[in-house]
Amino acid sequence: DAKTTQPPSMDCAEGRAANLPCNHSTISGNEYVYWYRQIHSQGPQYIIHGLKNNETNEMASLIITEDRKSSTLILPHATLRDTAVYYCIVDDYKLSFGAGTTVTVRA
Amino acid sequence: GAVVSQHPSRVICKSGTSVKIECRSLDFQATTMFWYRQFPKQSLMLMATSNEGSKATYEQGVEKDKFLINHASLTLSTLTVTSAHPEDSSFYICSAIPYPNRGRNIQYFGAGTRLSVL
Repeated sequence: DAKTTQPPSMDCAEGRAANLPCNHSTISGNEYVYWYRQIHSQGPQYIIHGLKNNETNEMASLIITEDRKSSTLILPHATLRDTAVYYCIVDDYKLSFGAGTTVTVRA
Repeated sequence: GAVVSQHPSRVICKSGTSVKIECRSLDFQATTMFWYRQFPKQSLMLMATSNEGSKATYEQGVEKDKFLINHASLTLSTLTVTSAHPEDSSFYICSAIPYPNRGRNIQYFGAGTRLSVL
């Protein structure tokens, strides 16, 4: 059963912020929200994760709602190299990759 | 840091032969590694969880006698596709969780192996 819901695709202009939503209404109290991305024909890449608080690293920011039922991944300044499939995953150990969001950054 | 090397990146073999794929954590130890399979235009599907020093745990529907997994050291797991057939052609990807993981189950992935069985 899918634990997360993401839009299938979105476009973003190069240099602009990309906001990727994810719904995880059945998340349990000890489950983290992980974000990975997969650039075409490559292995997935870890981006960021969080439990309750908002998180930021060199790649992105993660905003988690107070009720933890949804989150948003923010790529602050999207580049063409950010074109990829982005996966929002809620799991304590195993990663269950859904369909993800195909993000296309356009010049 | 947290680099996972997977070899080979691409392999073409004849039907009926066996193929071994290696997954190495280069700068960390990993008691747990995972093997995934990805068919064209589909998402990654977890095949098995590989634990150092013990038998792998296979997901439902994955034949353990066909996909042999060995995790003999803290930095190496291997997947052997035995008697490969054209339907086994796929993109195989491994991942590893660093040990100790400090409470975070972040998986670091290899670049994948594209297997084509003729």
